[in-house]
Amino acid sequence: GNSVTQMEGPVTLSEEAFLTINCTYTATGYPSLFWYVQYPGEGLQLLLKATKADDKGSNKGFEATYRKETTSFHLEKGSVQVSDSAVYFCALSRSDKLIFGTGTRLQVFP
Amino acid sequence: GAGVSQSPSNKVTEKGKDVELRCDPISGHTALYWYRQSLGQGLEFLIYFQGNSAPDKSGLPSDRFSAERTGGSVSTLTIQRTQQEDSAVYLCASRHNGPSSSYEQYFGPGTRLTVT
Repeated sequence: GNSVTQMEGPVTLSEEAFLTINCTYTATGYPSLFWYVQYPGEGLQLLLKATKADDKGSNKGFEATYRKETTSFHLEKGSVQVSDSAVYFCALSRSDKLIFGTGTRLQVFP
Repeated sequence: GAGVSQSPSNKVTEKGKDVELRCDPISGHTALYWYRQSLGQGLEFLIYFQGNSAPDKSGLPSDRFSAERTGGSVSTLTIQRTQQEDSAVYLCASRHNGPSSSYEQYFGPGTRLTVT
């Protein structure tokens, strides 16, 4: 079946540290891949997307590359800020619905 | 333009009562989705509308849950005879269905339902 696996959190970093949140997927065919972010007390916001192999999605300093050979879509940021503290969800689109990972909480301290 | 809106933002109800949750999608978005976010289950798909019809209802957890969409716009999710396990945040999302669509969905702020 279709599924998304994310690294467990929380991830705790100091400001300006490098961030990686791992995401791997299992799917038939070639789904679109997404990262959504949920800030405290808010709804889900689309952070970035990639629709085919080797595509790189990027937004607000975050990047993720669609790797077909490793079925991965890891989220990276070179220098995190306190304001990046949130829960990050990796997702794939299949059969007109989104299948989400369990979410990874990121906590950034000054 | 305006995003997806949902109402109420919070709802507290007694076990056994019926509740209605409303979603107003982004104008022009033909696809509408309901998801549920709970501590134990993460983000779960409930139902998908294309226009006013629901080709995929596979995520509705029981026959106490139903949803409708009218005029290709507003949708209502109804939970009858609420149970404590129904307590969760109910999220609505919409998507544009054009040729350039990459299946990204835009989410509303959610309705937090608490069943006491």
